[in-house]
Amino acid sequence: TQLLEQSPQFLSIQEGENLTVYCNSSSVFSSLQWYRQEPGEGPVLLVTVVTGGEVKKLKRLTFQFGDARKDSSLHITAAQPGDTGLYLCARTPNTGNQFYFGTGTSLTVIP
Amino acid sequence: NAGVTQTPKFRILKIGQSMTLQCTQDMNHNYMYWYRQDPGMGLKLIYYSVGAGITDKGEVPNGYNVSRSTTEDFPLRLELAAPSQTSVYFCASRDHPWLASGTKGEQFFGPGTRLTVL
Repeated sequence: TQLLEQSPQFLSIQEGENLTVYCNSSSVFSSLQWYRQEPGEGPVLLVTVVTGGEVKKLKRLTFQFGDARKDSSLHITAAQPGDTGLYLCARTPNTGNQFYFGTGTSLTVIP
Repeated sequence: NAGVTQTPKFRILKIGQSMTLQCTQDMNHNYMYWYRQDPGMGLKLIYYSVGAGITDKGEVPNGYNVSRSTTEDFPLRLELAAPSQTSVYFCASRDHPWLASGTKGEQFFGPGTRLTVL
């Protein structure tokens, strides 16, 4: 089992606040993905990072891949109620054949 | 395109019963996956397939079987259902070799099947 630890497990914030969620492992990632899952639906891919130190931005979301490729973070600026959902990170080897998901961070943004 | 479809949406089984969860994709994707998601948790890979006729085990394959006779279909079979198999099951598919030029390695997920074993 290739464990991915996500923190915090739960997060409840007011609209307009900033937040950061983390994804950590004791071993090196080849590639890492971030997904968002809304209740009753399947996850939807947000981003894929592959290079240590890489930073990607998707509107108000900023994704960072640690230099050592053992950790990643997702920062949301000025959170909105539409950001509410379960945020999952997933690692995969170079082949992309298997995906190992973290336990997720459940985010609630209160209007 | 309908994308990835799963049937049924909900099912209740008694201990020891068997059933097949259906998954179909119309995007001509080579790669298909079955995951289970327990309440408040991430997804765990059960089985995956890299093409018709080829399947392999994931993290948690015990108690399940799969087949891939066509590109479109990837059914998941539960034999002798147990309460521990109560979960939400997601099927997913993706195309392209991993991170081929211009792609993000995106998996497209179905809406899930909620299974309860009593």
